[in-house]
Amino acid sequence: GAVVSQHPSWVICKSGTSVKIECRSLDFQATTMFWYRQFPKQSLMLMATSNEGSKATYEQGVEKDKFLINHASLTLSTLTVTSAHPEDSSFYICSAPPTTQETQYFGPGTRLLVL
Amino acid sequence: DAKTTQPPSMDCAEGRAANLPCNHSTISGNEYVYWYRQIHSQGPQYIIHGLKNNETNEMASLIITEDRKSSTLILPHATLRDTAVYYCIVRGAQGGSEKLVFGKGTKLTVNP
Repeated sequence: GAVVSQHPSWVICKSGTSVKIECRSLDFQATTMFWYRQFPKQSLMLMATSNEGSKATYEQGVEKDKFLINHASLTLSTLTVTSAHPEDSSFYICSAPPTTQETQYFGPGTRLLVL
Repeated sequence: DAKTTQPPSMDCAEGRAANLPCNHSTISGNEYVYWYRQIHSQGPQYIIHGLKNNETNEMASLIITEDRKSSTLILPHATLRDTAVYYCIVRGAQGGSEKLVFGKGTKLTVNP
């Protein structure tokens, strides 16, 4: 199957700082990528849909000014958590569907801990 | 909201078949059934998907009832590495760019 990577795999930061998470499709191009968040013992919750060359689409209740998404190329989407607070601590996962397939492939996730 | 209902947990003995049920009584004619699994602290892994015919690949088999209101994922010979949360997801036929909505899934524990 197709491979999606994320960087970093984990990050610890101080409250008030910003953190950038990268999502890359390694062997295919993706015009669309998705960002999910998962709290402990809960399911994945879709945060936003990242579209190459245009603005991201955010799910209801997700602050677009806090979670900045940039999809600058067909293989890279970034999620920036601005002014992070302890309640933003979570497992962030991206996914990408190859344009020629019906299946989405997920990255390994990024664990964020805000102190 | 998720369009599927799954039991919260199941147990299976190593080497035996694991049969994971999923109810999707409101599925539309053009919607697919997808199965993913998530091993602890990892991203979800695609397993299989189908529309109305039964499907089989190297990982599992998917059995969809004739009325398409339910399905069963079968892991023919479960191993300890199959311990994970399994998600059954109904999604439209708009290709991979349509978002996936995750329910709570079934936590499968394979016991030695």
